[in-house]
Amino acid sequence: KNEVEQSPQNLTAQEGEFITINCSYSVGISALHWLQQHPGGGIVSLFMLSSGKKKHGRLIATINIQEKHSSLHITASHPRDSAVYICAVSLLSSGSARQLTFGSGTQLTVLP
Amino acid sequence: DVKVTQSSRYLVKRTGEKVFLECVQDMDHENMFWYRQDPGLGLRLIYFSYDVKMKEKGDIPEGYSVSREKKERFSLILESASTNQTSMYLCASSPPGTAGANVLTFGAGSRLTVL
Repeated sequence: KNEVEQSPQNLTAQEGEFITINCSYSVGISALHWLQQHPGGGIVSLFMLSSGKKKHGRLIATINIQEKHSSLHITASHPRDSAVYICAVSLLSSGSARQLTFGSGTQLTVLP
Repeated sequence: DVKVTQSSRYLVKRTGEKVFLECVQDMDHENMFWYRQDPGLGLRLIYFSYDVKMKEKGDIPEGYSVSREKKERFSLILESASTNQTSMYLCASSPPGTAGANVLTFGAGSRLTVL
């Protein structure tokens, strides 16, 4: 079983819809990261959080440490939000504190 | 703009060739990482380096080596490329410290095809 599970794997939405992407992990973590990867490959870090909630523009990330779950929300979605969204965690049990463990990503397509 | 620059966006090599993938960052970061990304498998760590001339194996180091002679440059070497090394390779860097405390900055990726 993967230590980091994302759902859904694929998501298609209409422009303007509210979008939620979920990430669950199975062991203790020190922090969770949300990343965005556009077609062509480059990855951008969106959020790093260890508790509560963070907001940047139309993006909101929340984390519930007790439930080992995080969500990434996009409000008023737009076609330019189409990308792969990746959850990554810094596991407390990791062999090296410098390593992240990645989910397999959620492909989001926002149609005009 | 701060940057991680990967030398080649697309490479095509033949089986058995030696392949160098170069990564340069201009943020004076101590930590540098090489990942490969394959469909359905996510990003997997090949090697990382936390200082000049220092390196640690990641999850999938077999068939790869690395070099970090200068702080800003981290090279990934495929001594004898094989078809199962066809993949997207991503370099990243971060300030010193744990993965939980620092944001990674990624390069644009290098898509390698081995024929």
